[in-house]
Amino acid sequence: EVQLVESGGGLEQPGRSLRLSCTVSGFNFRDYVMSWFRQAPGKGLEWVGFIRGKSSGGTTEYAASVRGRFTISKDESKNIAYLQMNSLKTEDTAVYYCTRDGVKTGKEDAFDIWGQGTMVIVSS
Amino acid sequence: DIVMTQSPLSLPVTPGEPASISCRSSQSLLYTNGYHYLDWYLQKPGQSPQLLIYLGSNRASGVPDRFSGSGSGTDFTLKISRVEAEDVGIYYCMQGRQTPLTFGGGTKVEIK
Repeated sequence: EVQLVESGGGLEQPGRSLRLSCTVSGFNFRDYVMSWFRQAPGKGLEWVGFIRGKSSGGTTEYAASVRGRFTISKDESKNIAYLQMNSLKTEDTAVYYCTRDGVKTGKEDAFDIWGQGTMVIVSS
Repeated sequence: DIVMTQSPLSLPVTPGEPASISCRSSQSLLYTNGYHYLDWYLQKPGQSPQLLIYLGSNRASGVPDRFSGSGSGTDFTLKISRVEAEDVGIYYCMQGRQTPLTFGGGTKVEIK
């Protein structure tokens, strides 16, 4: 079964760091774009960033709100994608979703598999 | 950034009746390859979002054929031919034409 399971969320203070993990099963994620989205409490969906597949160089792109603070990476030997979040701000409080771009459309969209999400609370 | 605007904000529906949601983008979503990079997602209560439609009109795997997407340029529509109780939730459109990927504000569909 194709599945994404996020972990690592929790309560952290502003300015501190947190690393989220997305454990992949059921497919070889080496060749897929893996993206992170977030949803603040009671709000809509927001794209955080993505990492392209190996054939596209594994390059990354980020939303302006997290660029320079967040880093997406993956360990193919462990089947895990990561979201390293540094210099956390209160406005980073949200449920974070890991997703797969499973439909080859020519661009990074059509995210067909979503994890259950992990909650991150940034508060002093 | 491309701004996505959905309407209506809320949509009370009667089971068995059709429903329609509009999504407008601030720039054309047509890419050089001829595709429109517009997705529709449904977030059911307490669940993660799920992909319904990609490239404006292609149903994702397993999506019932009562869901259809149409549109071009900057104007897109999601239609449900006959609403079922399980279709309640918040519908989002998302553009994949360029980064940052951006979403509409969502349309809450609820049963009357």
